[in-house]
Amino acid sequence: SQTIHQWPATLVQPVGSPLSLECTVEGTSNPNLYWYRQAAGRGLQLLFYSVGIGQISSEVPQNLSASRPQDRQFILSSKKLLLSDSGFYLCAFHPRTHEQFFGPGTRLTVL
Amino acid sequence: DAKTTQPTSMDCAEGRAANLPCNHSTISGNEYVYWYRQIHSQGPQYIIHGLKNNETNEMASLIITEDRKSSTLILPHATLRDTAVYYCIARDLGYGNKLVFGAGTILRVKS
Repeated sequence: SQTIHQWPATLVQPVGSPLSLECTVEGTSNPNLYWYRQAAGRGLQLLFYSVGIGQISSEVPQNLSASRPQDRQFILSSKKLLLSDSGFYLCAFHPRTHEQFFGPGTRLTVL
Repeated sequence: DAKTTQPTSMDCAEGRAANLPCNHSTISGNEYVYWYRQIHSQGPQYIIHGLKNNETNEMASLIITEDRKSSTLILPHATLRDTAVYYCIARDLGYGNKLVFGAGTILRVKS
């Protein structure tokens, strides 16, 4: 069966520190992968998507970057976190069908 | 992708049908209508999608008008667990299969 994993579930980081969030997918090959962010009380914002290894498309300019080193691995990174990077980060995958599956999310608080 | 318009919030009595409207007057011929919902602190969950015909699955029914400019998601017997934000998205199956979420409708099911 298809599953998606994200970790960590929660994270508290100081301003200026680096960030690495990891997402892995099982049970599918060559999926499209996505990173979304949801700030407190706000809607879901698409940050990055990838249609294959090493192929990253950015939706909005920001302090974050994404990488896809393996077919089913998607990483969200930052060199220096800002207060405005706080939020709920969701990874999702699209296995070439109509349905998009979301992970459990990482709640990031930048202090 | 076509813009969609949904009411900000709706209330529904438990056990009654919940009818959630969505306007997508600029939808193009190859754009599907998708519905997702997000329960508090979780990732969005796929509900249903359609192109022209009405669709039904174990979760809901989707009624699309003949001119495709609007649609209605029907939860036939709403329960308290259906309280969530419901998103209507119009999207074609283009590069990346991106889902762009709007503000959605907050559905409150009340006992």
